[in-house]
Amino acid sequence: AQRVTQPEKLLSVFKGAPVELKCNYSYSGSPELFWYVQYSRQRLQLLLRHISRESIKGFTADLNKGETSFHLKKPFAQEEDSAMYYCAPQGGSEKLVFGKGTKLTVNP
Amino acid sequence: NAGVMQNPRHLVRRRGQEARLRCSPMKGHSHVYWYRQLPEEGLKFMVYLQKENIIDESGMPKERFSAEFPKEGPSILRIQQVVRGDSAAYFCASSPPGQGFGYTFGSGTRLTVV
Repeated sequence: AQRVTQPEKLLSVFKGAPVELKCNYSYSGSPELFWYVQYSRQRLQLLLRHISRESIKGFTADLNKGETSFHLKKPFAQEEDSAMYYCAPQGGSEKLVFGKGTKLTVNP
Repeated sequence: NAGVMQNPRHLVRRRGQEARLRCSPMKGHSHVYWYRQLPEEGLKFMVYLQKENIIDESGMPKERFSAEFPKEGPSILRIQQVVRGDSAAYFCASSPPGQGFGYTFGSGTRLTVV
């Protein structure tokens, strides 16, 4: 069964500190992997996708096939990074399966 | 490009009434997905549609819920005889065909059953 786990429901860091949001997945085959972000009272937005190896707003994500993880990282968190973050693998069926999300709070 | 348009933004229904949620995908996107978000929970997949076809409805409750994406017009998520437990935010997303493109989401419809 397709499964994605974001073990931290809440994550709080201070401005300027590094941040890592964890994501582990259980999938047959090789899924495509995405991170989505939802700022307060806004729609979900695509933050980054593994296939394009891009870095958005200073965030990067490393795929570790051995550990089946796709953790999201940023070396220096900013207050405007406070949001809900969702990890989402996409299997062959084309549908995205979302984790329960991690609420990141960046304190001043 | 107007993006994914959902309406209404807020919908209040009494128990037993019907709720109709609409979603117009982005121009050029042929795939539509519906998700439900309950408080303190993530996004739960409901249904995946292409024009005039339901591709995957594995997340849809067996009763009272239905979805369509007609040849013309928006996709509709229909909930008959609503109950309090249907209160949630319902999000629609669209994508072009194929893997790796990600979704574009609408702003959601917040359904409240009173």
